[in-house]
Amino acid sequence: GAGVSQSPSNKVTEKGKDVELRCDPISGHTALYWYRQSLGQGLEFLIYFQGNSAPDKSGLPSDRFSAERTGGSVSTLTIQRTQQEDSAVYLCASAIPPGLGNTIYFGEGSWLTVV
Amino acid sequence: DAKTTQPTSMDCAEGRAANLPCNHSTISGNEYVYWYRQIHSQGPQYIIHGLKNNETNEMASLIITEDRKSSTLILPHATLRDTAVYYCIVRTANAGGTSYGKLTFGQGTILTVHP
Repeated sequence: GAGVSQSPSNKVTEKGKDVELRCDPISGHTALYWYRQSLGQGLEFLIYFQGNSAPDKSGLPSDRFSAERTGGSVSTLTIQRTQQEDSAVYLCASAIPPGLGNTIYFGEGSWLTVV
Repeated sequence: DAKTTQPTSMDCAEGRAANLPCNHSTISGNEYVYWYRQIHSQGPQYIIHGLKNNETNEMASLIITEDRKSSTLILPHATLRDTAVYYCIVRTANAGGTSYGKLTFGQGTILTVHP
């Protein structure tokens, strides 16, 4: 597609369940970022991928959160044993590798509600 | 990445120019100024970015002071659909390092365009 695609767009899950959120970056974009935005809050960086490796995982809030990327394209963010405080919109973004003032493009996000 | 300071909120009349200021007094030579906006419930939308020269595109103009310590985003003819949170972000142009070119979002400016 033309833009960053995320699925599901909305997910309601019970506390304690695991969830997987998917991101399809723009074709050819090797850099991929995950962010989180809780209700009424700013955007919080989670993890950065360059190709299939993740040199910066500094924003992952706990070991319940993990992410992987395969084939230098699709990425999956997994949250294990979800808690109510995990409720947020999870945003994925992609870019060509940093340098020369490239642009990062965001998807529309996956809204996660933990009940 | 350098920090930015923006007013918490601004108002603008429909059809008039909206001028959104941003201070980034600690910006370094290899850092770009980026502007994004976020309309309620949507992913951040790229607007414009620049290094030291003024920039213009179909959405907006970016005026950067000669010392690069501040900038202004100009929406020449604001419409009601421009009501959003506007983020001014300073971002390194370098690959690798510790930031990996990620965007660090502050609280932004809430722009309200009224009839």
